[in-house]
Amino acid sequence: QQPVQSPQAVILREGEDAVINCSSSKALYSVHWYRQKHGEAPVFLMILLKGGEQKGHEKISASFNEKKQQSSLYLTASQLSYSGTYFCGTGGGNKLTFGTGTQLKVEL
Amino acid sequence: GAVVSQHPSWVICKSGTSVKIECRSLDFQATTMFWYRQFPKQSLMLMATSNEGSKATYEQGVEKDKFLINHASLTLSTLTVTSAHPEDSSFYICSAITRPGPQHFGDGTRLSIL
Repeated sequence: QQPVQSPQAVILREGEDAVINCSSSKALYSVHWYRQKHGEAPVFLMILLKGGEQKGHEKISASFNEKKQQSSLYLTASQLSYSGTYFCGTGGGNKLTFGTGTQLKVEL
Repeated sequence: GAVVSQHPSWVICKSGTSVKIECRSLDFQATTMFWYRQFPKQSLMLMATSNEGSKATYEQGVEKDKFLINHASLTLSTLTVTSAHPEDSSFYICSAITRPGPQHFGDGTRLSIL
């Protein structure tokens, strides 16, 4: 079953923060996060491999709560370049099931 | 590093024709490649997993005879949409990995069937 992301869409002003959640009905072994701009390929952001792990990438970080079967992506001090659709990907082994997606738009 | 090239970027063809899409890993050897389909404003739906030298593993509901996948080498996988019809129109994206970890995506192919 496809992981559910929330919110579905969000509009931010440049400099604001956002949190994107990814919830799975199945046990999570790893969580990937990707960003896709319109008409382009998804770009890898980060991967979390064990429960409780938090990882950061510039002003974008993520957490992984194995017990709650959830992951959250944190975007701080958003920039125009952060606009796009964010997908979480979950699964065991190599295969991923991508979440429902969150459209994020950063405006001036 | 980890560049994946997908060709063609877009294709328009008549109903009933077959279309081949190529996915190449340019600077690494891909043990596994994946093929996804994406409708506008929707998520990526995995169609099949392709391993070099072996038959592809298709996801439930994906027609094997309709979407032929060949993974001839560690750097090339192809998806052939056979006897394409308008309902096959979509954005098809491949990805590749060398080991468990991030998937590296191609730029996608926009397929339009008239």
